Amino acid sequence: AQTVTQSQPEMSVQEAETVTLSCTYDTSESDYYLFWYKQPPSRQMILVIRQEAYKQQNATENRFSVNFQKAAKSFSLKISDSQLGDAAMYFCAYRSWNTGNQFYFGTGTSLTVIP
Amino acid sequence: KAGVTQTPRYLIKTRGQQVTLSCSPISGHRSVSWYQQTPGQGLQFLFEYFSETQRNKGNFPGRFSGRQFSNSRSEMNVSTLELGDSALYLCASSEGLAGRGETQYFGPGTRLLVL
Repeated sequence: AQTVTQSQPEMSVQEAETVTLSCTYDTSESDYYLFWYKQPPSRQMILVIRQEAYKQQNATENRFSVNFQKAAKSFSLKISDSQLGDAAMYFCAYRSWNTGNQFYFGTGTSLTVIP
Repeated sequence: KAGVTQTPRYLIKTRGQQVTLSCSPISGHRSVSWYQQTPGQGLQFLFEYFSETQRNKGNFPGRFSGRQFSNSRSEMNVSTLELGDSALYLCASSEGLAGRGETQYFGPGTRLLVL
């Protein structure tokens, strides 16, 4: 079965600084999707960024970017110019059409932003 | 457009009872997925419905079932409740099948407590 590992249960960053959250996954598939979701204390999950495995180029959404290393099965999220509103639980997720189409989530990283 | 709505937001039941949770997707979205979130197991995929048909299913017992109506609204039912079913149940909608990488929009969740 596919697994998604987030090895950092908690991270902190100074406001305006940059932080990188790590995620690794295990799969034998070549075609899949990777996601980063943010879950603020209000509990509503929000999509931060997504990456198609067939795309070489790393996805970017404003201050959020990923470092996708397909061979290493690594998918880290970089948050630049951190803001107080970035404080949340961040989940890395994997989904493949070919493997029962299940959604696999990591255990999450709790990000604290220090003013 | 209005976001994904879930009712009720909080629910308390006793062991052995059954419960039905409701999810109204964003207008125009045809896919609804359900997830269970617990501190111990994290986020786990339950199932996805698209055009009134269950398209994908996670590794949950048959006590967990769902359905989708012609207006895309979905219900999830859990029969013979167990203490371990206490969780936050999240619903997410997308225009197309989430397994194709479609962006999912999450609702606020239903917090179920089984006593």
